[in-house]
Amino acid sequence: DSGVTQTPKHLITATGQRVTLRCSPRSGDLSVYWYQQSLDQGLQFLIQYYNGEERAKGNILERFSAQQFPDLHSELNLSSLELGDSALYFCASILTVRPFSYNEQFFGPGTRLTVL
Amino acid sequence: GQQVMQIPQYQHVQEGEDFTTYCNSSTTLSNIQWYKQRPGGHPVFLIQLVKSGEVKKQKRLTFQFGEAKKNSSLHITATQTTDVGTYFCAPGGTGGFKTIFGAGTRLFVKA
Repeated sequence: DSGVTQTPKHLITATGQRVTLRCSPRSGDLSVYWYQQSLDQGLQFLIQYYNGEERAKGNILERFSAQQFPDLHSELNLSSLELGDSALYFCASILTVRPFSYNEQFFGPGTRLTVL
Repeated sequence: GQQVMQIPQYQHVQEGEDFTTYCNSSTTLSNIQWYKQRPGGHPVFLIQLVKSGEVKKQKRLTFQFGEAKKNSSLHITATQTTDVGTYFCAPGGTGGFKTIFGAGTRLFVKA
């Protein structure tokens, strides 16, 4: 158990819909990363937040947005869903007492999104 | 941005054989991390390499960071079925916030 929680574990929805994925980082971790992993694919970095502020953006679609709240939990909002959005979505948290790239990332169990 | 090539994409081995995956960058890296993802699981941090030429061992796993800090390898001696999964490298760029993961090497071990 990494200490990172993600809800829901599974999500099945239809094309055109909007969903929200939730992530709670490890206690004390200030930074959250979001990743998308399509079937048997690698990890695609989406976005990073640090202490409530967006710090880096990867290949995140305009239909996707995220935020980190004062209690440090984060939500990833996916709208106008398409079949191709079906994937595993992971969040990871880090402590950040060192420069970002030197921190090991603790991954949550992921949310499996299926768009029908 | 930071890009890495990870090879091979897949590797099938007989239990007891050795396995190596490589991570190559065209630019100098500040550090590199390795993660393992079991089938159906989430990535789990294995190790971080920072120094040029660094070699670290964890039981049957040996991690190396090249002298030029542009490549790294993970070697598993005498694979076991518990080694099954995908191994990802994650290079640290110089000053960037982003984390780019290699495409991963999926290891299959036949008992």
